[in-house]
Formats: sequence, C-alpha cells, structure tokens
Amino acid sequence: SQQGEEDPQALSIQEGENATMNCSYKTSINNLQWYRQNSGRGLVHLILIRSNEREKHSGRLRVTLDTSKKSSSLLITASRAADTASYFCATGGSNDYKLSFGAGTTVTVRA
Amino acid sequence: ETGVTQSPTHLIKTRGQQVTLRCSSQSGHNTVSWYQQALGQGPQFIFQYYREEENGRGNFPPRFSGLQFPNYSSELNVNALELDDSALYLCASRRGQAVPYEQYFGPGTRLTVT
Repeated sequence: SQQGEEDPQALSIQEGENATMNCSYKTSINNLQWYRQNSGRGLVHLILIRSNEREKHSGRLRVTLDTSKKSSSLLITASRAADTASYFCATGGSNDYKLSFGAGTTVTVRA
Repeated sequence: ETGVTQSPTHLIKTRGQQVTLRCSSQSGHNTVSWYQQALGQGPQFIFQYYREEENGRGNFPPRFSGLQFPNYSSELNVNALELDDSALYLCASRRGQAVPYEQYFGPGTRLTVT
C-alpha cells in the first residue's frame, strides 16, 4: 500500500505559470522527499525536507511541510516545457530502510 | 545521470519463467534498494541490501530474491513469473545507512510477462 497520496493526479499548465501539487501521508515521518520521473524512466531526487523543517527552496522549487496535517506541497515556479514529468512524494521514517512513495502527479507544461 | 546503471532495458518473459535483473551502483555506494513500479503507480519497495546482506524487505513473496556482490552491484531474481509482475523495476543506491538519505535511481528495467 502507498503511504503518500498526491493531489491532483494530473495537472496541465501553460509555460511560465506556476504548478502546485500536494502530498498527504498517514504515519509520522522523519523526512519527506520529492522525486521527478520523465516518461517512465528512473526517478531523479529533487528536494528533501526534514520533519522539523517547514519550508525549503531549491532553484524554482519550493516545498512546504505541515506535520500536524500530515501534508506537503511542491511548487514549481515559472514552469518550462522540460518540467513535464510525473512528480512523486516519498516519506521515510526514523528507522526506515525504505521510502514509501505516493502514486504521483503528472504535470504537462504546454508551450 | 545518477551513475546507477541497470540491464537489460527491456525484457519480455512468459508466465512461469524466471528472470534476473542487474544493477550497478554509483561508485562508493554500499546500499542498494529495489523497487517495483506498476503502470500508473508509484514505486513499491521490494528489498534492500547493505554490504551483501538483505536488511529490509517490503511486502513481496519469497520468489523475489536478490544478491549483492563485493563490488556492491546487485541482482534481482524473480521466479515463477506472474502476469502481475509486469512492471518497471528500479534499483537505487546510496552510501551507508544514515537517515535521512536521498536515493540515486537507475533508469529501470521494463519487464513484460505474457
């Protein structure tokens, strides 16, 4: 079973617009990560936020974490065609040897 | 590029057969994890190897087994293939066991079982 659940399942935006996607999870976590996957290929790590952090930035990416609501959001600003991909949140526990992934949000950026 | 490679890229097998998938870790990474990703789903954790020993396993039956070699490369073996085993198989490597960590994924092997 999946720990995380992304919302929406799919998102279509115009180039230059912002894209926001959300992730909800069920159990307590040590950290939450976001990954990108292009066309069914390998996943690329984007950003990691620890449970004691509330917000983190990396380039055009902004991640928030609300542990009281068990939710996170990923914002991609000024989107580009190359941002077209599936985005997954993954949670890890304090003693976890694994990451638990959600089902992902598919983002399409139209030129 | 993450430095993690997998072979083969694609594979077609018949139900009941056995398959071996291979993964070469990024240099210096001694921990390898394997994930199964069904179409339209997120990756599901199969198991993890650290210094040649399995030290974590997800909800997969024993017909899914693995090996890690002294050079930290790894194999995933699946016996008695079922149609539901059709998926993208991803390996991911990292250094050590510290939490938290980010994983470096390979491009995956697409397995089709007919």
